[in-house]
Amino acid sequence: AQSVTQLGSHVSVSEGALVLLRCNYSSSVPPYLFWYVQYPNQGLQLLLKYTTGATLVKGINGFEAEFKKSETSFHLTKPSAHMSDAAEYFCAVSDTGGFKTIFGAGTRLFVKA
Amino acid sequence: DAGVTQSPTHLIKTRGQQVTLRCSPKSGHDTVSWYQQALGQGPQFIFQYYEEEERQRGNFPDRFSGHQFPNYSSELNVNALLLGDSALYLCASSRSGQGSYEQYFGPGTRLTVT
Repeated sequence: AQSVTQLGSHVSVSEGALVLLRCNYSSSVPPYLFWYVQYPNQGLQLLLKYTTGATLVKGINGFEAEFKKSETSFHLTKPSAHMSDAAEYFCAVSDTGGFKTIFGAGTRLFVKA
Repeated sequence: DAGVTQSPTHLIKTRGQQVTLRCSPKSGHDTVSWYQQALGQGPQFIFQYYEEEERQRGNFPDRFSGHQFPNYSSELNVNALLLGDSALYLCASSRSGQGSYEQYFGPGTRLTVT
């Protein structure tokens, strides 16, 4: 069985500060990992994904994440927060068959001016 | 290139009624997955359709059923609605051979059960 835990339901940062959103996963098979962003009253948009290969993956809007197998983590970072980054962020894991994706509970990011 | 579209955008139903939600996948996609997102929670996987058949299912009762048409569009049906079925229902499409790796989400249908 697979599961995802996002540490912190709310994270608040100042504009220009580092963004760090934490995600730990559990999977009995090599996982495929994702980060999605959801703006109010909208669907989800894929930020980045890890399937195989390089463990540091870069996504859209300056976000990146690093797959650490030993720590079962896939934390999302961005060097400098913008006001437009305020949204809900979801970490997700998929089995290698890709038939089912499990999402975490989400972390709401607040960006202060 | 149209993305994933869903209809209707909002819906209000009464307990015990039945509802049908619709989804048109992104052009070139043939796999459709449905998710339920309750307020303040992450999306929960309901099921996935490919080649007009249900390929995988999450932990949802049989009141939740679906269908995929030859043009790859899909419907989600919920019978005997409960108050707890109130949620945002998201449809996601992907291309076969990639499983759900590259999922594109629609804007969702907000269902309110009173």
